[in-house]
Amino acid sequence: DAGITQSPRHKVTETGTPVTLRCHQTENHRYMYWYRQDPGHGLRLIHYSYGVKDTDKGEVSDGYSVSRSKTEDFLLTLESATSSQTSVYFCAIREQGDGHNEQFFGPGTRLTVL
Amino acid sequence: AQRVTQPEKLLSVFKGAPVELKCNYSYSGSPELFWYVQYSRQRLQLLLRHISRESIKGFTADLNKGETSFHLKKPFAQEEDSAMYYCALNSGAGSYQLTFGKGTKLSVIP
Repeated sequence: DAGITQSPRHKVTETGTPVTLRCHQTENHRYMYWYRQDPGHGLRLIHYSYGVKDTDKGEVSDGYSVSRSKTEDFLLTLESATSSQTSVYFCAIREQGDGHNEQFFGPGTRLTVL
Repeated sequence: AQRVTQPEKLLSVFKGAPVELKCNYSYSGSPELFWYVQYSRQRLQLLLRHISRESIKGFTADLNKGETSFHLKKPFAQEEDSAMYYCALNSGAGSYQLTFGKGTKLSVIP
């Protein structure tokens, strides 16, 4: 599992509340990613990080922010959750080394916004 | 811009029958392609990388640059192959972003 954990694994919240999801890795990978998975859409990139304090937007970044103050933790924040953000959120890391561009995924967080 | 197309949302085959999951891509550079598998409510797992040309769980995939395809094949489907399959393309840019297809759900009928 490439040492990737996500917390919480399940969360139910109400519209308008802030939510923070945590991704933790134990193998000192430089690149980390947040995706959302929705039926009929596959996986879409929200934000990614290429080092401590270095982040950038992905395809569906509106309504989300991220932070990475330590190599091992990548946080995804929904400042004011909306029902359209009900989804399964996956964190991923990029395996390091020459010729390695594949990503490995965490177990996911199932978020429901009521 | 890069794009990955998986034309079938659902594919049903009988146990022991051959399987082919289609993946077409659109990318102006030299592509790097992957297949991921997701069993029910689990994390995505890397199944194949095109550059390694290996066979995992009996699955193979060949990159066809002329047809811009990277179809996943298995000669004899097993019930445990039932899962969601995603094709993904590495953009090649410095961010190493993956662009995913929308996925194909494979159902193997006993």
